Amino acid sequence: AQSVTQLGSHVSVSEGALVLLRCNYSSSVPPYLFWYVQYPNQGLQLLLKYTSAATLVKGINGFEAEFKKSETSFHLTKPSAHMSDAAEYFCAVSLALPGSARQLTFGSGTQLTVLP
Amino acid sequence: GAVVSQHPSWVICKSGTSVKIECRSLDFQATTMFWYRQFPKQSLMLMATSNEGSKATYEQGVEKDKFLINHASLTLSTLTVTSAHPEDSSFYICSAMSRRSGTYNEQFFGPGTRLTVL
Repeated sequence: AQSVTQLGSHVSVSEGALVLLRCNYSSSVPPYLFWYVQYPNQGLQLLLKYTSAATLVKGINGFEAEFKKSETSFHLTKPSAHMSDAAEYFCAVSLALPGSARQLTFGSGTQLTVLP
Repeated sequence: GAVVSQHPSWVICKSGTSVKIECRSLDFQATTMFWYRQFPKQSLMLMATSNEGSKATYEQGVEKDKFLINHASLTLSTLTVTSAHPEDSSFYICSAMSRRSGTYNEQFFGPGTRLTVL
């Protein structure tokens, strides 16, 4: 079984400041990890994914995340926040098992507010 | 590429009626589609997994007679909420997995359907 914990349901940063959204996972086998962004009344857009290659993953819109096995973490960062980054962010995990059900387990989400 | 659409984007219906939501993969074939439900300010909860040509697999606690899922082709899955009640009001999101996804388990999400039952 796998699970995801996102610390902080709400995060506020000033425009231009560092964005750090925390995600810790639990998985009995090597995981695949994802970060998604959701704007109001819209579906989810993939920001980036970790699939057992490079531990530092770069995504769209200047976001990146680092897979740290020792800490079971996959925190999302962006050096400089933009007003358009305000949205809900979800961390998700799936099992890296060939032929698995490929289901995603989502964290509870973090609402990012960017202050002018 | 990898675009998923949903129709309708929002629907209001009376209690007791049935509502059908369509999920289409527009530019790829989706062997597997997923249906999620999202309550306000909450995360996505997987309702069911559907594979083309076979019966859907429902998550524990999801009534399969109430939430009928049909995956009739490699580009279309439908979710029918039967005898809808106000507690069924929610945001329903589908996702599709492309054959090209390989082992990365990447799902492509639709824009969601807002269901309001009066």
